[in-house]
Amino acid sequence: QKEVEQNSGPLSVPEGAIASLNCTYSDRGSQSFFWYRQYSGKSPELIMSIYSNGDKEDGRFTAQLNKASQYVSLLIRDSQPSDSATYLCAVNENNFNKFYFGSGTKLNVKP
Amino acid sequence: DVKVTQSSRYLVKRTGEKVFLECVQDMDHENMFWYRQDPGLGLRLIYFSYDVKMKEKGDIPEGYSVSREKKERFSLILESASTNQTSMYLCASSFRGGGVAFFGQGTRLTVV
Repeated sequence: QKEVEQNSGPLSVPEGAIASLNCTYSDRGSQSFFWYRQYSGKSPELIMSIYSNGDKEDGRFTAQLNKASQYVSLLIRDSQPSDSATYLCAVNENNFNKFYFGSGTKLNVKP
Repeated sequence: DVKVTQSSRYLVKRTGEKVFLECVQDMDHENMFWYRQDPGLGLRLIYFSYDVKMKEKGDIPEGYSVSREKKERFSLILESASTNQTSMYLCASSFRGGGVAFFGQGTRLTVV
């Protein structure tokens, strides 16, 4: 069974700090990688997608991918209380089109 | 604006009932998925469909079946609901080949 591992947290950071969320995956065939944000009682919404090694930046968010180490991370700069949520890492093995999700990291941003 | 719509936000059903959860997407996506989400267990794939009338079992298909008669609609069926099927059910869809998965708003099902 393909595995996606995340630290469940909670990760607590003060407002304005950088939050660093990490994810490892077991299947070397994984091709696409995603970060979703999920507020309590709501469905996941896409934050970032990344497909090649390196960094990808979008506003306050940076996704980092290292396929050799089977590692993907999400950095949130200038964290805001509204960023408090559970962040889900997802990987997709393109040949089979299935998404595998980690169990999520709960982030608390304290004012 | 992309849209995945699940038929109910909250459902309460009795043990032994046959339960239908409906999902409709308007993005012409080939792939559709049903997940359940439980505290501490994350999202677990129940069934996946990559085309009309095509389906594949996910990690936890026992007690569930699915139907996809039209490209935009994917139904999850609980043949005989049990209390251990109380959960949040999430439908998602995506293009074939690794595209982003978009989620519906979720159905919180309680089986009593």
